[in-house]
Amino acid sequence: RKEVEQDPGPFNVPEGATVAFNCTYSNSASQSFFWYRQDCRKEPKLLMSVYSSGNEDGRFTAQLNRASQYISLLIRDSKLSDSATYLCAVNYRGGKLIFGQGTELSVKP
Amino acid sequence: DGGITQSPKYLFRKEGQNVTLSCEQNLNHDAMYWYRQDPGQGLRLIYYSQIVNDFQKGDIAEGYSVSREKKESFPLTVTSAQKNPTAFYLCASTQLPGQDIHEQYFGPGTRLTVT
Repeated sequence: RKEVEQDPGPFNVPEGATVAFNCTYSNSASQSFFWYRQDCRKEPKLLMSVYSSGNEDGRFTAQLNRASQYISLLIRDSKLSDSATYLCAVNYRGGKLIFGQGTELSVKP
Repeated sequence: DGGITQSPKYLFRKEGQNVTLSCEQNLNHDAMYWYRQDPGQGLRLIYYSQIVNDFQKGDIAEGYSVSREKKESFPLTVTSAQKNPTAFYLCASTQLPGQDIHEQYFGPGTRLTVT
């Protein structure tokens, strides 16, 4: 089992749709969780940190479920500009982050 | 402006040559990381360093070497021993207060093509 796994993509959704991504992790001792956005041929950019209580930033909501060991990212009212690959990252021992393989999102007009 | 710079953006080399990728940060971050990304795949950790003059192997360190002589700089050398060096190389950095890990910030990356 991979240490961090994401929903396989791609996700193709119409503009205005709500889409959710899940990311499961295997290390129950993990403490820090993040969502990154990566545009084609660019570097990943931090989208959100994920806190125990869940957090929201505009149309984006991130949640953590420690019991089931997964984090989620919900995007409401999808825009064309949301098209990208979304990577989850989970901290691991020794100050390392482990990244998922990414989920590609394509928002269509 | 604070940030992470990587140079060059594109690099072409012949097989058998060593090549060094530059990574510099002026964020005063403690830790620096090198990742490799292949098409359609996630990031794989090559090496990381939490303090000057110390570094650890990541998951795919074979064929690579690093140094951390200054806090701001963490160059990566791709040696001729690396079997499939063509990839997108990303450098990242983060603060490490205590045992917490904060979010990592990435440089723009270097695309290395070896023929």
